[in-house]
Amino acid sequence: DGGITQSPKYLFRKEGQNVTLSCEQNLNHDAMYWYRQDPGQGLRLIYYSQIVNDFQKGDIAEGYSVSREKKESFPLTVTSAQKNPTAFYLCASRGTGIYNEQFFGPGTRLTVL
Amino acid sequence: KQEVTQIPAALSVPEGENLVLNCSFTDSAIYNLQWFRQDPGKGLTSLLLIQSSQREQTSGRLNASLDKSSGRSTLYIAASQPGDSATYLCAVNHDRGSTLGRLYFGRGTQLTVWP
Repeated sequence: DGGITQSPKYLFRKEGQNVTLSCEQNLNHDAMYWYRQDPGQGLRLIYYSQIVNDFQKGDIAEGYSVSREKKESFPLTVTSAQKNPTAFYLCASRGTGIYNEQFFGPGTRLTVL
Repeated sequence: KQEVTQIPAALSVPEGENLVLNCSFTDSAIYNLQWFRQDPGKGLTSLLLIQSSQREQTSGRLNASLDKSSGRSTLYIAASQPGDSATYLCAVNHDRGSTLGRLYFGRGTQLTVWP
């Protein structure tokens, strides 16, 4: 089945720790995105990548880092510099061409203990 | 900056009603608009994609319209069912400068359809 997978589904972090959220897609999509969702708010863009080895900051990139070494993978690291990391994190991808639709993974819920 | 607003924030209706969910956006320079469905604790499922040159798209009981010049889109759900209960999100694909290809989301309409 083609799609986007995110792991883990639930993640617990102690304050001061860095954690990495995985996002993998087998749709052969060039563009990939990370969003954060908080209760009562719309999705906010953290980082996005239009092509391998290139990525841009979104609206709320502070305290996060990404890499794009492979087309299929776009991991997100939540660093200790992120002051309020408890949220639902969603990864998405889009095929080549600005007119294509975005598809989303199932999400990772991160909780800071 | 593109801003997307969805009205109403929540809607509760009996089964069988026809529904209209509204979405408005401030900058008409868009490539397309997507409607998504989100169930609690889940990712987003794409429902309909309307390109900027199109007026509407249909999929089953769903019909989405787009009036780009006025910055509005509506999602029409016919003969609603309890299984339609979810949050519906509208997102626009902005086409200015460095923001190419990214989506701007509204906060969603939380729909409850009761039997």
